Amino acid sequence: SQKIEQNSEALNIQEGKTATLTCNYTNYSPAYLQWYRQDPGRGPVFLLLIRENEKEKRKERLKVTFDTTLKQSLFHITASQPADSATYLCALDKQAGTALIFGKGTTLSVSS
Amino acid sequence: EPEVTQTPSHQVTQMGQEVILRCVPISNHLYFYWYRQILGQKVEFLVSFYNNEISEKSEIFDDQFSVERPDGSNFTLKIRSTKLEDSAMYFCASRQGATTNEKLFFGSGTQLSVL
Repeated sequence: SQKIEQNSEALNIQEGKTATLTCNYTNYSPAYLQWYRQDPGRGPVFLLLIRENEKEKRKERLKVTFDTTLKQSLFHITASQPADSATYLCALDKQAGTALIFGKGTTLSVSS
Repeated sequence: EPEVTQTPSHQVTQMGQEVILRCVPISNHLYFYWYRQILGQKVEFLVSFYNNEISEKSEIFDDQFSVERPDGSNFTLKIRSTKLEDSAMYFCASRQGATTNEKLFFGSGTQLSVL
């Protein structure tokens, strides 16, 4: 079955820098991959979706890439702000047409 | 933006008791889900529900768990005889369509504590 690995549990960066988070998956190659943000004690909130035929997707300061050969997605936050501090979750379906499963997430801390 | 609503926000129960967690999905959504998150761990899929029946469930969703859509708006998760290890945050989620290219909308969760 599908496994998702997010490379680090915690990432600490300075305000203004670019944060890069990694999501690797095994086995089945999904047609879509999603990224969510989770704040402490809250439910995940959808950020971006990228399709397998898209190399890159942008939304404001966020950028996601999807490399189906490497089975990897990178999530970038440019010009990071303390308000970006949260846990970021990678999500994909464990096989075609099934429910989304989530990685454990990377907790980003942006210091001013 | 429309919201998924969950009640209660916190539930404390004794081991062996039954609990019912309640959710009101977004009104025009057709697919409903329960996830749980044990403190410090990942968000885990429990069950998906469509057209008044379970469409998929995980190995966590054993006979102690059941789901129901008792009316046109509520979606419930029942744990028949709670165990200590059921202590977790339970999230309800919904989406309009079935395909995984659609985003999930999550509620704020119910923190269940089993004593």
